[in-house]
Amino acid sequence: QVQMVASGGGVVQPGTSLRLSCVGSGFTFDSYTLHWVRQAPRKGLEWVTLISDDGLTKHYADSVKGRFNISRDNSKNTLFLEMNSLITEDTAVYYCVKGPRAAMFFNWFDPWGQGLQVTVSS
Amino acid sequence: EIVMTQSPATLSVSPGDRVTLSCRASQSISSHLAWYQQKPGQTPTFLVYDASTRALGVPARFSGSGSGTDFTLTISGLQSDDFAVYYCQQYHDWPLYTFGQGTKLEIK
Repeated sequence: QVQMVASGGGVVQPGTSLRLSCVGSGFTFDSYTLHWVRQAPRKGLEWVTLISDDGLTKHYADSVKGRFNISRDNSKNTLFLEMNSLITEDTAVYYCVKGPRAAMFFNWFDPWGQGLQVTVSS
Repeated sequence: EIVMTQSPATLSVSPGDRVTLSCRASQSISSHLAWYQQKPGQTPTFLVYDASTRALGVPARFSGSGSGTDFTLTISGLQSDDFAVYYCQQYHDWPLYTFGQGTKLEIK
């Protein structure tokens, strides 16, 4: 069974950092592009960032560029999201998701991790 | 950035109904469109890709269609389990993947 299991999240103050993790199982981890998608309270879904299968290429939404860093450890089947300089607008549920192939283009998202609540508040 | 617009925002329907949800792209995305279902308090689940291909295990009552800028998701014989929010997502303009704002199906 293909699965993504996330951990991390919590309540932090503006300007601080937080790290999210996500372990993939049931598939060949290093053969897929992986993503983070977030959902602000009572809002829709927003793609945040992706990382290539080999971890060498990364892309970010403008809203997080320069503040967030995606990475992966293929030896441990783990995806990470390092979030720095957090602002209140980053408050959301964060999902780790798997793409359908190694290539970064033409990706839909399946499966989704269970979602992590990140609250940025003073 | 390609803007995805879903309509209507909310649809009140009855079990057993046939319902059509719409999704429009601000520019042509060929058939590079996916649909997701999100039940209250749950993680989104993947339904359709390439505009009309059902994901593994998705019931045949879910049917996607369209190409270019206009797309629909039709659910035939609505079941109680289908009342949820449905999102479309374009993957034509990568890596700037974008979603529609969602259509909520509620019980009439």
